[in-house]
Amino acid sequence: NAGVTQTPKFQVLKTGQSMTLQCAQDMNHEYMSWYRQDPGMGLRLIHYSVGAGITDQGEVPNGYNVSRSTTEDFPLRLLSAAPSQTSVYFCASSYDRGTEAFFGQGTRLTVV
Amino acid sequence: GESVGLHLPTLSVQEGDNSIINCAYSNSASDYFIWYKQESGKGPQFIIDIRSNMDKRQGQRVTVLLNKTVKHLSLQIAATQPGDSAVYFCAENIASGGSNYKLTFGKGTLLTVNP
Repeated sequence: NAGVTQTPKFQVLKTGQSMTLQCAQDMNHEYMSWYRQDPGMGLRLIHYSVGAGITDQGEVPNGYNVSRSTTEDFPLRLLSAAPSQTSVYFCASSYDRGTEAFFGQGTRLTVV
Repeated sequence: GESVGLHLPTLSVQEGDNSIINCAYSNSASDYFIWYKQESGKGPQFIIDIRSNMDKRQGQRVTVLLNKTVKHLSLQIAATQPGDSAVYFCAENIASGGSNYKLTFGKGTLLTVNP
């Protein structure tokens, strides 16, 4: 099993550009989520989904959009990139709310 | 707001010693706790979890203790090895009831194992 796959691994954007971070899982998990990790801040929840067609905001949702059209995929869209969005982004999936989340390898995003 | 925090941001131990990493949580409704290990440049990796109906759970070389009275969680690593060097995060969630999914992470503890 591939687990949780994130693409790309690295990305540099100019301020104002938009892009989509891809996340796919092959474990048939209902729960998927996006986190950003900044130095000294731990992981903060951006958006999450409890199943196809259902998404909700996390702790830091501003500037990001998500959709969940299939169980496998949960893309994160940056609408207009800002330097404050420079971070490492992690996608995770879990079977349900009471089981461990499996993480992807991360996308390191730099906005200049 | 409510959050998960750590008592010690860094911990340095000698190879072969036991390590104890602590975590405090403030949400009394949390009933599911996880410890993750994150090596440099990688995503968090599951180590062990515990539910609120348990006080202790053991894995291979790791033990998690939960003290609900003082809202405290700890991860014990026996015979610490250089490969254990990483950042360790505790995380909490409310597994039962409600519709929100909010796995909340602490800021992490950097464990350094000296050979």
